[in-house]
Amino acid sequence: ETGVTQSPTHLIKTRGQQVTLRCSSQSGHNTVSWYQQALGQGPQFIFQYYREEENGRGNFPPRFSGLQFPNYSSELNVNALELDDSALYLCASSFGSGGGDTQYFGPGTRLTVL
Amino acid sequence: AQSVTQLGSHVSVSEGALVLLRCNYSSSVPPYLFWYVQYPNQGLQLLLKYTSAATLVKGINGFEAEFKKSETSFHLTKPSAHMSDAAEYFCAVSLLGSSASKIIFGSGTRLSIRP
Repeated sequence: ETGVTQSPTHLIKTRGQQVTLRCSSQSGHNTVSWYQQALGQGPQFIFQYYREEENGRGNFPPRFSGLQFPNYSSELNVNALELDDSALYLCASSFGSGGGDTQYFGPGTRLTVL
Repeated sequence: AQSVTQLGSHVSVSEGALVLLRCNYSSSVPPYLFWYVQYPNQGLQLLLKYTSAATLVKGINGFEAEFKKSETSFHLTKPSAHMSDAAEYFCAVSLLGSSASKIIFGSGTRLSIRP
């Protein structure tokens, strides 16, 4: 069974640029959630996708957007990058979108915005 | 609104000593509660999950946590610390019956183990 994978591992961008992060769900999972973890803090919920539809969103501006594909892999897109977007971005997959469904996390993508 | 408070950003114990990491939650409805561990430069790994089936929850690597509704607490314990337990630990809450499994994380507690 393959776990959650994310690419790339590290990324450096400059302010104002756009970035796309990718996530492959664990086999059999139909739900993907994205989190932002700033240095020294706990992860913050960005949004969740369930069967290719957005199914909940945290307190993040519209320049954070996502997609989920028919194979349940997912992308996180961030436009007009700001310095504060520098963080570890975590993807988590689960079977089901309910509150008690266990989410399995990938290793993350470290984004640095200069 | 639900929230989680972890008491102590850094805890240091000797190898073989008891580990106690404190977590208090706030939720207007019965919550799901989680403990996750994060090793340096890695993602999060689930240690254990409370789903109302039993108040004492046993997890991986010898960790366990007890749900105490009267104290709104979900503290994580391990009887004997091992060097490999050094990591960042996050307590988290999610809502029973919510349509989206949004997890609210605490700010984390860094556990250090002294030889």
